[in-house]
Amino acid sequence: GENVEQHPSTLSVQEGDSAVIKCTYSDSASNYFPWYKQELGKRPQLIIDIRSNVGEKKDQRIAVTLNKTAKHFSLHITETQPEDSAVYFCAASMYNNNDMRFGAGTRLTVKP
Amino acid sequence: ETGVTQSPTHLIKTRGQQVTLRCSSQSGHNTVSWYQQALGQGPQFIFQYYREEENGRGNFPPRFSGLQFPNYSSELNVNALELDDSALYLCASSWVGLLDRNTEAFFGQGTRLTVV
Repeated sequence: GENVEQHPSTLSVQEGDSAVIKCTYSDSASNYFPWYKQELGKRPQLIIDIRSNVGEKKDQRIAVTLNKTAKHFSLHITETQPEDSAVYFCAASMYNNNDMRFGAGTRLTVKP
Repeated sequence: ETGVTQSPTHLIKTRGQQVTLRCSSQSGHNTVSWYQQALGQGPQFIFQYYREEENGRGNFPPRFSGLQFPNYSSELNVNALELDDSALYLCASSWVGLLDRNTEAFFGQGTRLTVV
């Protein structure tokens, strides 16, 4: 089955700096890669996703890149703000089967 | 806020007991997936229900079972509870169509289960 690895487990940046979180996956059949943000005590919320037919997607300060050949994808947050502090999870799944396999998470801390 | 609701929000059970958790999916969605999230870990896929049938299962024993109802709401049942079953249980609903294009998954707020 699919195995998703995520790095780093913790990340601390200064406000205004960029943050990058990386994930690798094992199943070449996976073609949907969402990123979720989970604040303490709250539900995971989708912040951006990418499908395998594109290599990059951007939404304001957030971007995701996908390299299908190498089976890795990354989340990029620019101009970080303290409210970006949370745990971020990557996941991989197939279009027709929503059983997402999650990474272990990255705790991002943005220092004012 | 999403339209996915879970009940109860918190639950304490004794080892060996049975528990039923409930999930009301977002209007228009036909698929519900269940996840177990241990403290400090990512959600682990338990199983998925699509149009009232199990449609995929993660690495969980048979004592984890589920149902999906005609209105697409769902239940997760866990028998013979063990201490390691203590976790946040999340459900997520989405719409899966004939062209294999699913919508994003919206999570409920979770049920915090503590087994003592």
